[in-house]
Amino acid sequence: DGGITQSPKYLFRKEGQNVTLSCEQNLNHDAMYWYRQDPGQGLRLIYYSQIVNDFQKGDIAEGYSVSREKKESFPLTVTSAQKNPTAFYLCASSASAGGHEQYFGPGTRLTVT
Amino acid sequence: GQSLEQPSEVTAVEGAIVQINCTYQTSGFYGLSWYQQHDGGAPTFLSYNALDGLEETGRFSSFLSRSDSYGYLLLQELQMKDSASYFCAVRDPDSWGKLQFGAGTQVVVTP
Repeated sequence: DGGITQSPKYLFRKEGQNVTLSCEQNLNHDAMYWYRQDPGQGLRLIYYSQIVNDFQKGDIAEGYSVSREKKESFPLTVTSAQKNPTAFYLCASSASAGGHEQYFGPGTRLTVT
Repeated sequence: GQSLEQPSEVTAVEGAIVQINCTYQTSGFYGLSWYQQHDGGAPTFLSYNALDGLEETGRFSSFLSRSDSYGYLLLQELQMKDSASYFCAVRDPDSWGKLQFGAGTQVVVTP
């Protein structure tokens, strides 16, 4: 079955540590996205990539980094510079950057103490 | 930039009809999308309106009026499983790859 996988589902880290969240898709989609969701709030875009080896900052990129070395993979690193990293992180993809339908992974809930 | 406004919560009983409104402000418009998200789950795409009018998909319908910068999602014959958050979204006209989401409307269905 085609889809997006994110791992792990729950992640716990100590403050000051970098952590990398995995996102893999087998939908053959060109575009991929990372969103952050805080309790009771909408989705805020962290980074997006329209094509392999290219990515752009979203609305809240500070303290995060990404790479897009393969079409299927778009990992997100939450660095120690991110002031409030505890959140629900969602990865998504769409067939193209202009596609209005985005497919989401199950999310990773990150807790930093 | 863009902004979207939608009510924070709507409560209704099973079998009822719920309308979730979304008003938007954007310098360029390329359609209005709707997503559903159950608590703790992933958002799933529901519908997309690029032109004025009503789009029907089973119990859910979505409406758009570009002249009023307004759209709504209509949930009919409400079921308990429809309890979820619903988000409207528009494309950022300055950054083609970006979708801007509203804050979401939590729909609570009671027996």
